[in-house]
Order: sequence, then structure tokens, then C-alpha cells
Amino acid sequence: GDSVTQMEGPVTLSEEAFLTINCTYTATGYPSLFWYVQYPGEGLQLLLKATKADDKGSNKGFEATYRKETTSFHLEKGSVQVSDSAVYFCALSDGGNEKLTFGTGTRLTIIP
Amino acid sequence: GAVVSQHPSWVICKSGTSVKIECRSLDFQATTMFWYRQFPKQSLMLMATSNEGSKATYEQGVEKDKFLINHASLTLSTLTVTSAHPEDSSFYICSASPPRGLAHEQYFGPGTRLTVT
Repeated sequence: GDSVTQMEGPVTLSEEAFLTINCTYTATGYPSLFWYVQYPGEGLQLLLKATKADDKGSNKGFEATYRKETTSFHLEKGSVQVSDSAVYFCALSDGGNEKLTFGTGTRLTIIP
Repeated sequence: GAVVSQHPSWVICKSGTSVKIECRSLDFQATTMFWYRQFPKQSLMLMATSNEGSKATYEQGVEKDKFLINHASLTLSTLTVTSAHPEDSSFYICSASPPRGLAHEQYFGPGTRLTVT
């Protein structure tokens, strides 16, 4: 079945540091890939997405590129801010249906 | 943006009792709602998918008689944990999808922490 493997946390970085959160996947078809973010006390929000190989999703300074050859969708940001502190989930949807398969989530803490 | 609320945000109940959790889409109609369960340091696990006016579809291994789901209107779905036991303690999250929504068009509630003593 489908699965998502995500970098374990927690991750603690200083403000303005470079961020990478690794995500790899296993899927039988041609999945769409997503990153969700969960701020304290709030529901998950879609951060960015990519629907086919070599697509780059981007939002709020975050980027992730759909790499079919390495089955990866790593999340990056060049300069993190304290407000980026949250839990980040990598997810996939296979075959265009509505179901999402999530990774375990990575807690990110940015210190000033 | 689309807002989904859950009530209560946390609940403590005694073993053997039943607990109902509500999920509401506040500013859009949700033809499909999803219920997830999350254990500490684990991913969100889909429990069931519910469509308004029809029976929920449960994922493999989820007891439908224990986790009763009702999606009676386009803005409300409820999850009832019947005869709760300590192993049912978990974080329950719902999401709602608008008509003809795709997977990423799920809007998530903030979750409900259930503790069974």
C-alpha cells in the first residue's frame, strides 16, 4: 500500500537558518504530493502541493520538488522565522481519489 | 478561508461510557467528511469517510460498531466512541471537503483529545 516516510523530529533551528525536512514515499500509481502545516491549536492547513514529476510547489517561502526518480518531496526554506514553528506533515493522494496518506509529522521549533 | 470546527476540543470520560465528537464546516457545505485518529509520534490514520445522507465507509481494521459516524447534514458530522476504553484514548481529527473536492481540498478541524480513564 501507499506510505509516506518523513524525517523524525523534533527539529530546532535558529532564526534565518536553512531548513530541510525530508520526505519519501511509496505509491502504486502516480500520486499527488502535499505538505501540510499545523500551527499550535489549529487544524492542518495545506502549505503546498505538486501533482506530477518535476513540479515544484511553493508557498510562504517554502518549496518542495516532486522527484519521481528518488520518490521524494523534501521541504525547504532558505531562511526560517520564529513564526514557522509548527508541525509539518508530508502526504500523498494516489489516483486522484480523496484519501490522503500522511507521514508522522515533524515538529519544527525556531529560536530567536 | 474554509473553517472547520470540532467540539469538544478535549474530553475525559470513564471507561464504558460513550462520547460524541462533533465536526462542523462553518462557511461551506461539506459533502464528504473524514475522520482521522492520531497517536503520539505517529501519522494521522484515516478511520472512515462519510458522505452526507449515506453510511460511512470504514477503513480496514476500524470497528464500525464502536466508532459510530453520522453525517446528517452538509455541515455536520459526528463521531461517537461507544463503550470507550483506555486504548481509545487518542487525538481525533476531522476534515471536510466541498462538493467535487480533490484530496488536498480537505479542510481540517483542530482536533479533539479524548482521554478514557
